[in-house]
Amino acid sequence: GQQLNQSPQSMFIQEGEDVSMNCTSSSIFNTWLWYKQDPGEGPVLLIALYKAGELTSNGRLTAQFGITRKDSFLNISASIPSDVGIYFCAGPSYNFNKFYFGSGTKLNVKP
Amino acid sequence: DVKVTQSSRYLVKRTGEKVFLECVQDMDHENMFWYRQDPGLGLRLIYFSYDVKMKEKGDIPEGYSVSREKKERFSLILESASTNQTSMYLCASIRGIEYNEQFFGPGTRLTVL
Repeated sequence: GQQLNQSPQSMFIQEGEDVSMNCTSSSIFNTWLWYKQDPGEGPVLLIALYKAGELTSNGRLTAQFGITRKDSFLNISASIPSDVGIYFCAGPSYNFNKFYFGSGTKLNVKP
Repeated sequence: DVKVTQSSRYLVKRTGEKVFLECVQDMDHENMFWYRQDPGLGLRLIYFSYDVKMKEKGDIPEGYSVSREKKERFSLILESASTNQTSMYLCASIRGIEYNEQFFGPGTRLTVL
């Protein structure tokens, strides 16, 4: 099946720093989704991207849908302790019956 | 807001027991999914359903079955629980194929002793 390669695997940053993570695929996606998962909870949808080149913001989060449709980036500005968690990228299969997930980026923020 | 709920947050069962994990969504979504999540392995699809009484195997269906008798409810069944089924189980739903946003429940952490 399709593989989503997400990097970095983990990050340790200081509060106030900006964060960037990305996801790449060997296949084209028509939608990119970014989720955050807090410890012991289910993933929560942060941003959905539908068009190549699209740049979408949600508060301090900004995500971009790559022009090639094979990648996506998530940026977090001015990180705060509650940003701690695991961030996943995801994309649906062509018939939307299956979703592919990246392996996650674990974010740690030092106060 | 879309709400996906799961019947238990934590569950402890013994090897060989039959286990039912229930998932309910309140937004009339057509497609529902069951995943398990394990450290280092990410989210892996067990089964999904695109309509009442319809189901499709995901990537790791062995040892599991599912039931969808009503649109809002999707159940995952472990016929005879084994220790290697200890995991975090996540249910998710989407409105339909024209909608791409998948919403997750809070998860059930199952421990099989």
